[in-house]
Amino acid sequence: QVQLQESGPGLVKPSETLSLTCTVSGGSITSYYWSWIRQSPGKGLEWIGYIYYSGNTNYNPSLKSRVTISVDTSKNQFSLKLTSVTAADTAIYYCVRHLGYCSSTSCSSWFAPWGQGTLVTVSS
Amino acid sequence: EIVLTQSPGTLSLSPGERATLSCRASQSVSRSYLAWYQQKPGQAPRLLIYGASSRATGIPDRFSGGGSGADFTLTISRLEPEDFAVYFCQQYDSSPYTFGQGTRLEIK
Repeated sequence: QVQLQESGPGLVKPSETLSLTCTVSGGSITSYYWSWIRQSPGKGLEWIGYIYYSGNTNYNPSLKSRVTISVDTSKNQFSLKLTSVTAADTAIYYCVRHLGYCSSTSCSSWFAPWGQGTLVTVSS
Repeated sequence: EIVLTQSPGTLSLSPGERATLSCRASQSVSRSYLAWYQQKPGQAPRLLIYGASSRATGIPDRFSGGGSGADFTLTISRLEPEDFAVYFCQQYDSSPYTFGQGTRLEIK
């Protein structure tokens, strides 16, 4: 079955860029939409954005100015970049697969499976 | 965006008892586009219910979801020791997708 694994630095300095990669195994990344979700004690679970293999993306308006999600179909991976990070961006970051209904303009999706998550701490 | 409010914040019950968790939306969630997840310490959330009442693959039938409009419930008919965890609801009716703050189900 499909499995997801996040990777990337666990510590990022304030004002720098957070970069994470999600590797998809057990299935093709071209078959579904994919998202990043983060979880922190202060904000709970927060959806960051999604991508399709075609490059179609949608971002949470609260983060849109700082987020870029990209895909590499040759490696079956998708990635997250979050710029100008602050302590408020400290969280566990999860990559997830969409299930449900998606068109070129919108998705109505629930999420399964989830990656195990990776803790990213923003600190100098 | 749709704000989801879960209640109670913490629910203390004993194994074998029935648990009822609530998720209330700030506006109607059309087409019952609501999901429930279970999260255990140190683990990622796991999908339990989608479409308000459809169980995900492999989820025991003691878990059931209900509701419509702005009020939804997750019911666990007879609590097993492994059911004590945190439960989240999520709406996917409109972007951005949003989650409730969670209900912690603890052993009494």
